[in-house]
Amino acid sequence: DAGITQSPRHKVTETGTPVTLRCHQTENHRYMYWYRQDPGHGLRLIHYSYGVKDTDKGEVSDGYSVSRSKTEDFLLTLESATSSQTSVYFCAISESGGPQETQYFGPGTRLLVL
Amino acid sequence: GNSVTQMEGPVTLSEEAFLTINCTYTATGYPSLFWYVQYPGEGLQLLLKATKADDKGSNKGFEATYRKETTSFHLEKGSVQVSDSAVYFCALIPNTGRRALTFGSGTRLQVQP
Repeated sequence: DAGITQSPRHKVTETGTPVTLRCHQTENHRYMYWYRQDPGHGLRLIHYSYGVKDTDKGEVSDGYSVSRSKTEDFLLTLESATSSQTSVYFCAISESGGPQETQYFGPGTRLLVL
Repeated sequence: GNSVTQMEGPVTLSEEAFLTINCTYTATGYPSLFWYVQYPGEGLQLLLKATKADDKGSNKGFEATYRKETTSFHLEKGSVQVSDSAVYFCALIPNTGRRALTFGSGTRLQVQP
């Protein structure tokens, strides 16, 4: 299994509070991704990173920001959580972002916004 | 844009039955195609992939063939087991532009003993 951990694994928070989710990898892979999983939608890309301090938006990036100060860590921040951000969040990594490469997924973080 | 369409679930089968989960895609050029599986309470695992037309991906008795002419990547297994019960996601990565996965909505498979 790829060395990917996510923290916390579960979180309950209130509307309007900031929340930060962490993804940590031990594989030294260049690319890291944040997806959210919602019923009927599969997984959708929030943001991704192609190197330290290099990030770009995905299809559902509104209300989210990311940071990557080290190769191994990719943080996702909900600046002011809303109930529509209740979801399961998955981090993924790939070695160099090539179209034929496998992306490896972390175990997920289940977030409930009340 | 890119999109993936999967058959709606749940799919309920008896053990040893034949499985087909349909997947079609829309993309420019020649994307790579993937099947991921998610067991209850877990993250996604790669099941198989194919990176060019007519390639067949296979793993654990599952197979899927990249059909460019019908833009399809249907998942098949000849004899399912209870342990195959999971959610299956078809996905693609385009060969140009953003190199992130575009997923279908997932198909839940329930195998009964």
